[in-house]
Amino acid sequence: QVQLVQSGAEVKKPGASVKVSCKASGYTFSNYDINWVRQATGQGLEYVGWLSPNDGNTGYTQKFQGRVTMTRDTSIATAYMELSSLTSEDTAVYYCVRVTSGSLNFDYWGQGTLVTVSS
Amino acid sequence: QPGLTQPPSVSKDLRQTATLTCTGNSNNVGNQGAVWLQQHQGHPPKLLSYRNNNRPSGISERFSTSRSGNTASLTITGLQPEDEADYYCTAWDNSLSTLLFGGGTKLTVL
Repeated sequence: QVQLVQSGAEVKKPGASVKVSCKASGYTFSNYDINWVRQATGQGLEYVGWLSPNDGNTGYTQKFQGRVTMTRDTSIATAYMELSSLTSEDTAVYYCVRVTSGSLNFDYWGQGTLVTVSS
Repeated sequence: QPGLTQPPSVSKDLRQTATLTCTGNSNNVGNQGAVWLQQHQGHPPKLLSYRNNNRPSGISERFSTSRSGNTASLTITGLQPEDEADYYCTAWDNSLSTLLFGGGTKLTVL
């Protein structure tokens, strides 16, 4: 069955960076985009961007451009999202999501990774 | 502030029908439609509909979606206690070249 398994919770200090991983299984990794969505506690969903595992192409929401980097390692079917210059505003659960390229079919979600930014 | 507009909360009685709305503009909902997600407390969201208004496998027939102009709607019939959740719409915005989410609607089943 399709699964996206994310890395564990992180606690970071302001100004630091965090790298969250998302390991895919149960399907051909390169055939679907990986999108990243975050959710602050008690708040709504916020789109971060997307990665095409097939060719490594990425697209980032303007708000995060310059601070986010999405990469992948196809040999281990794993996608990564790195966010730098963290502030308390970045405290949230970060989800990776499998999406058919060109569609909005957010059909499989990772379990989420809580990133806490605190001094 | 660009985005999709959803009512913050809707309350309906058990076994009644709820219709949730999501209003955007001609660059997003009106252009490419929207999809709907359901999120129970403490869990990741779950896809309820495709952009063509079809349902993914395993989603109850009680959930249906439609679109009229720049507004997308999610209708849930025969409300059950397990339908109590947050519901989000999402759509791609051609002008902003980004994905937008609605603020979410908290559905309470009385």
